Amino acid sequence: AQSVTQLGSHVSVSEGALVLLRCNYSSSVPPYLFWYVQYPNQGLQLLLKYTSAATLVKGINGFEAEFKKSETSFHLTKPSAHMSDAAEYFCAVSRYSGGGADGLTFGKGTHLIIQP
Amino acid sequence: GAVVSQHPSWVICKSGTSVKIECRSLDFQATTMFWYRQFPKQSLMLMATSNEGSKATYEQGVEKDKFLINHASLTLSTLTVTSAHPEDSSFYICSARNLAVYNEQFFGPGTRLTVL
Repeated sequence: AQSVTQLGSHVSVSEGALVLLRCNYSSSVPPYLFWYVQYPNQGLQLLLKYTSAATLVKGINGFEAEFKKSETSFHLTKPSAHMSDAAEYFCAVSRYSGGGADGLTFGKGTHLIIQP
Repeated sequence: GAVVSQHPSWVICKSGTSVKIECRSLDFQATTMFWYRQFPKQSLMLMATSNEGSKATYEQGVEKDKFLINHASLTLSTLTVTSAHPEDSSFYICSARNLAVYNEQFFGPGTRLTVL
């Protein structure tokens, strides 16, 4: 069985500050991990994914995440927050090792608030 | 990325009635579609996997007679909530994939169902 835990249902940062959204996973097989962003009234959009090629993964909009097997973590970061980053962020793990096109197990989500 | 739509975006119905939700892939043929359910302030839970032309595969604990899924074409899947009750009120999200084209799934914007 696989699971994902996102620490912090709400994270607030100032514009220009570092964004850090935490995700820890549990998986009995080498995991495929994902970060999605959801803006109001829109579908989930893939930010980035880890598929075992490289531990540091760069995504869209300046986000990146580092896979740390020893810590079972896949935290999402962005050096400088922008007002447009305010949204709901979901960490997810693929049920199978086949990649992101399979049914996903999601964390509860983290609402990112950007303070002007 | 590819576009997935859902209709309606929100629906209110009386207890005991049935409600149909449509999921369409607008610019690609979706060989597989997934249906997720999201409770307030909780994660998305995979309900079922729907392959075009075959019966859907339901996750453990999901009543297949209550949540009827039909994937009759490569661009359309429907979820029918039969004899809806207030506890079925939720946010239903679909996603679609075509492994021959994209190694990821694309999400619709979701449908908010409220059962009175």
